[in-house]
Amino acid sequence: AQSVSQHNHHVILSEAASLELGCNYSYGGTVNLFWYVQYPGQHLQLLLKYFSGDPLVKGIKGFEAEFIKSKFSFNLRKPSVQWSDTAEYFCAVNWGGATNKLIFGTGTLLAVQP
Amino acid sequence: EAGVTQFPSHSVIEKGQTVTLRCDPISGHDNLYWYRRVMGKEIKFLLHFVKESKQDESGMPNNRFLAERTGGTYSTLKVQPAELEDSGVYFCASSYRGGGSYGYTFGSGTRLTVV
Repeated sequence: AQSVSQHNHHVILSEAASLELGCNYSYGGTVNLFWYVQYPGQHLQLLLKYFSGDPLVKGIKGFEAEFIKSKFSFNLRKPSVQWSDTAEYFCAVNWGGATNKLIFGTGTLLAVQP
Repeated sequence: EAGVTQFPSHSVIEKGQTVTLRCDPISGHDNLYWYRRVMGKEIKFLLHFVKESKQDESGMPNNRFLAERTGGTYSTLKVQPAELEDSGVYFCASSYRGGGSYGYTFGSGTRLTVV
């Protein structure tokens, strides 16, 4: 079955620390990959997406993600986090097909301490 | 452009009552999706509309849930009768054509609490 795994459920970092959040999906084929963020009290916002081309994708607010097809992974990174990055982060995968539905990971709560 | 609008933002109802959630997608987005997040779990797909037609309703939990999209514009999701396990945040998303290649825009969600 199609599934998405996020390995870190809670992450606590100090400001200026580097961030890497893991995301793996269950099997290959053509995939579209997404990272969404939900800041406290706000709606889900798209951080970045991968459809094709360069596997290193740059998103908003200094975030980037690397698609490694052989590892079925799409890890999110940021070299230096800020207090304002405190939020919940979701990895999501679309395997195409008629429905185009997204399969989400369980989410990672990131708390950045000033 | 206006985003995806959902209302109410919060709803508290008693077990056995009926609740109707509404989603207004971005104008011109034929694809509309409903998702749900039960506390502590992942966001799960419920169903997908293309215009007024249900493309995929494989994620609907049971027949107490009824989704409609008359006229292919806004959509409603009715829960009747509500049970305690229906509590959670219900998200709506819309996309232009197939969201897999164009991306999805999410609404703020409706937090449903069944007591």
